[in-house]
Amino acid sequence: EAQVTQNPRYLITVTGKKLTVTCSQNMNHEYMSWYRQDPGLGLRQIYYSMNVEVTDKGDVPEGYKVSRKEKRNFPLILESPSPNQTSLYFCASSLFGGRGYTFGSGTRLTVV
Amino acid sequence: GQQLNQSPQSMFIQEGEDVSMNCTSSSIFNTWLWYKQDPGEGPVLLIALYKAGELTSNGRLTAQFGITRKDSFLNISASIPSDVGIYFCAGQRGTGTASKLTFGTGTRLQVTL
Repeated sequence: EAQVTQNPRYLITVTGKKLTVTCSQNMNHEYMSWYRQDPGLGLRQIYYSMNVEVTDKGDVPEGYKVSRKEKRNFPLILESPSPNQTSLYFCASSLFGGRGYTFGSGTRLTVV
Repeated sequence: GQQLNQSPQSMFIQEGEDVSMNCTSSSIFNTWLWYKQDPGEGPVLLIALYKAGELTSNGRLTAQFGITRKDSFLNISASIPSDVGIYFCAGQRGTGTASKLTFGTGTRLQVTL
């Protein structure tokens, strides 16, 4: 089944403790992206990647890092999480940029 | 970064009614997309629009790409309970290598029997 898989689905952590949210797609898509969803703000792009080793900042990149060493994987790294990064995170992939992104099921992160 | 203005923010309707929602921007987009998000899930693409003035249907859903390229509309006819969810519009400016999508703030739809 074609899908985008994120792990974990839920995570509670403490301020300053580094964490990684993994994302993997099995559709051989070129484009991958990370979004955060907050009430009243919709989905905002954190980072995106157009291909292996090619990444760029989205609208809200501060406090996040990404890497794209392999086509299928696009992990999101929070080096020193803070409470304002408590949010619902989505990974998405697409064959041709914004046309028809497939989204993962989300990771709900709480930073205390 | 820019966000799209989506309205209404929420709506309660009765089963069988038609629904309309829209999305506006101060900037031009080359592609408009409409997504639906069910509770606990990621957004799923409903309709994609690639040309100004384009009208596209997907079952009971119809979406239009505004002539000015600064707006888009989504209509749902004869709503049913499974239409419940949050509907997002998204715009893309670039073509080719550009992959940035800008999302609206969402319209929460609730359908009563």
